[in-house]
Amino acid sequence: GAVVSQHPSWVICKSGTSVKIECRSLDFQATTMFWYRQFPKQSLMLMATSNEGSKATYEQGVEKDKFLINHASLTLSTLTVTSAHPEDSSFYICSASSNREQFFGPGTRLTVL
Amino acid sequence: AQRVTQPEKLLSVFKGAPVELKCNYSYSGSPELFWYVQYSRQRLQLLLRHISRESIKGFTADLNKGETSFHLKKPFAQEEDSAMYYCALRGAGSYQLTFGKGTKLSVIP
Repeated sequence: GAVVSQHPSWVICKSGTSVKIECRSLDFQATTMFWYRQFPKQSLMLMATSNEGSKATYEQGVEKDKFLINHASLTLSTLTVTSAHPEDSSFYICSASSNREQFFGPGTRLTVL
Repeated sequence: AQRVTQPEKLLSVFKGAPVELKCNYSYSGSPELFWYVQYSRQRLQLLLRHISRESIKGFTADLNKGETSFHLKKPFAQEEDSAMYYCALRGAGSYQLTFGKGTKLSVIP
């Protein structure tokens, strides 16, 4: 089956620093990838839709300058949390789309001190 | 606007008992409905979709357009069914999924 990886699986950083999270589709090409945020005991909230070679589409309320998304190839999308603050601490999950089905990565736990 | 509602945060049943995880949706057109499952320490994965009308791991779900529901059912719960279950909706022609808040199923041995 289709496999999606995320790196790192967890990261701890100081407030004010930037953190990059990678999402890769390992055995298929994904023209569309999605970034979600999941708060404890809550559902997945779509942050943005990332299309290869074009700008990401952000959901309402998500700051595009805060959460930079780059989808430079058909197998890689990155999410950079810029000037991270403690309120950005969360579980970030990506998914990659193949034939309109989404395959999910294992998630990245971000903790901002 | 589309919305998915899972009214139960937690559902506990005994092994061998029937299970029904509720899901209601709000969508103006003809949606595609899905159930995703997340086992402990594992990633989210697709369990089943209404289009397939299939049974996976003994689970079934029927789309009821009149009641705008897509409840997940299994006649006899097993311990390995304990997990988080998310109902999701995808609008016509869209790639995006809208998730419910999830229901944690706990099967008591």
